[in-house]
Order: sequence, then C-alpha cells, then structure tokens
Amino acid sequence: QKEVEQNSGPLSVPEGAIASLNCTYSDRVSQSFFWYRQYSGKSPELIMSIYSNGDKEDGRFTAQLNKASQYVSLLIRDSQPSDSATYLCAPRGAAGNKLTFGGGTRVLVKP
Amino acid sequence: GAVVSQHPSRVICKSGTSVKIECRSLDFQATTMFWYRQFPKQSLMLMATSNEGSKATYEQGVEKDKFLINHASLTLSTLTVTSAHPEDSSFYICSALTDRNTEAFFGQGTRLTVV
Repeated sequence: QKEVEQNSGPLSVPEGAIASLNCTYSDRVSQSFFWYRQYSGKSPELIMSIYSNGDKEDGRFTAQLNKASQYVSLLIRDSQPSDSATYLCAPRGAAGNKLTFGGGTRVLVKP
Repeated sequence: GAVVSQHPSRVICKSGTSVKIECRSLDFQATTMFWYRQFPKQSLMLMATSNEGSKATYEQGVEKDKFLINHASLTLSTLTVTSAHPEDSSFYICSALTDRNTEAFFGQGTRLTVV
C-alpha cells in the first residue's frame, strides 16, 4: 500500500463545475495536510493547508479532513481552465517535518 | 505566501562536471529545507532534508557523496551534483519550512540536463 494514494486522473470537468479530488494516507500520526498545485514544467505551489477535522474554505477551494478515515479531499468550485494542473496531496508525518507526496491527480477543465 | 528563490532555473552541463544549485528563503528564516527530484510524469521524490548547521539527512538510495548538500545559513541551502551523468538529468526542486515549521514553500526548480 502506498503511503499517500490519489487517483491519477485525468479528472475532466466542464468550466464552472466542481472538481472533487480525494486522497487517502496510511500514516495515522499525520497531523498536518497540504494541497499543492503543479502546472506542467513548474514547481508545486501551496494552495491549502488543513490541520483539524472538518472543512476549511479559501476562496474557490475547500479542503476536507477526516483523520479517523485517514482521508483528505479538495473541492474546486467554479472550475476555470486555469485550474488545469496536477494537484498533489501531502500529509506531514510525525518525524522530521517531512512531507510525503501522493502521485497527484491531473485535472483538466474544459471550456 | 513565503518566497523561496532557486537558482539557476536551467543548466546544461557536460558529463563528469559538477553543478551547484542554490535555494534561498527571501523573507523568512528556514531552519529546514528539503531537496526533491522529479522525473517527467512522476511525483516528487525527496532526496534529503537539509538542516541549518548540521549534516543533511539523505533518503534511502540517495548517494550523499554524489549529491552534496550544504545549509550554512538560515536562508541558504545548496545542492551540488558531483560528476554528473546523463541519468542525473532531472528537475530538482527545493522547499523551505517557514519559521514556525508549519507550511513548506517551493523554489522555482532547476532543470538540469547533462550531455
């Protein structure tokens, strides 16, 4: 079992729709969770962090965390073509502040 | 968010030579920085954790004598790829933890091509 699992996609959504991305992780002691967006050929960009169970909203993005289920998700509302990218889920484990990255979900927003 | 600057963005070098990549935190002090490598269509692979004033911690399978890491100040870490070979060609990316060790921000990345 991979430490962090994401559906590789591509997740194709029409412009204006909601994109829903899922992530499961195996390290039960993870306390911090991050979503990064990576455009092709570029480095990752932090878009959301979440530390407590429940929802956290920031603009068009909502992160959801359920530690009991070891599950974290990201919703992108009113998807735009500029949201087309790979989204990386990254829990932080207990030791060394290291982030463990999932393989990423590629999102394609079609006009 | 915090700003991390990585230089150079692209470098082409001859096989057998060494290349140094710099990673700077511009508006915060970073006790801890990380170095990643990413091959096309793959996810980021952590190479090592760089701690200011101490030796880097390398991930399993990463040769510490080939990938030299120096973190001499709270705002600068360097990665030197020694005796580079074509198989070292990749996208190298650094990230730095903010002062409170909460969020990690990435540099722009360095695309290394060894010919």
